Amino acid sequence: EAGVAQSPRYKIIEKRQSVAFWCNPISGHATLYWYQQILGQGPKLLIQFQNNGVVDDSQLPKDRFSAERLKGVDSTLKIQPAKLEDSAVYLCASSLGGSPSYNEQFFGPGTRLTVL
Amino acid sequence: GNSVTQMEGPVTLSEEAFLTINCTYTATGYPSLFWYVQYPGEGLQLLLKATKADDKGSNKGFEATYRKETTSFHLEKGSVQVSDSAVYFCALSDRNGNQFYFGTGTSLTVIP
Repeated sequence: EAGVAQSPRYKIIEKRQSVAFWCNPISGHATLYWYQQILGQGPKLLIQFQNNGVVDDSQLPKDRFSAERLKGVDSTLKIQPAKLEDSAVYLCASSLGGSPSYNEQFFGPGTRLTVL
Repeated sequence: GNSVTQMEGPVTLSEEAFLTINCTYTATGYPSLFWYVQYPGEGLQLLLKATKADDKGSNKGFEATYRKETTSFHLEKGSVQVSDSAVYFCALSDRNGNQFYFGTGTSLTVIP
């Protein structure tokens, strides 16, 4: 079974530029998560989708970050404009759905973003 | 609000030593608790979980018990191996699964 796919794996941009990350979850997984992991910290949940609807985006900096999950499958996360403090690894995860208490999250390899 | 505090690393142990990585949490209601592991060059993966008080999660020789009275979920293993070298993250989710919180991670290195 294919895992969660993410691209690109690495991205270097200058501040104030825009960037987009793509995630393809495991087939059949209804729930999709985006996390930000800054070096030396644990992952921080940015947004959670259930199919193509947003369940929670309380920690998403909405002035510069946006995410969508059209058709309830693939998802993109965009940053516009980027700041230095956005340098991090962006992780995508998916699960069958419902509570993570009962449905394991599977993580992709992440996209490492460096903002210069 | 919800949060997780885990023992700072890095931790270095000799093979066959006993491992404890401390994790305490703050949460409203009754969260579920998790340990995730990230091996070098690999993605995060679930190691074990516990969904209610006094539950014990176990996997690959690792164990953790959900202690509501001490708000803790410490990770233990009786005899570590070199292959256990990784970063370990404690995490919690609220009962509805709408929020997920990770600790800062503890790096473990096991030397032969």
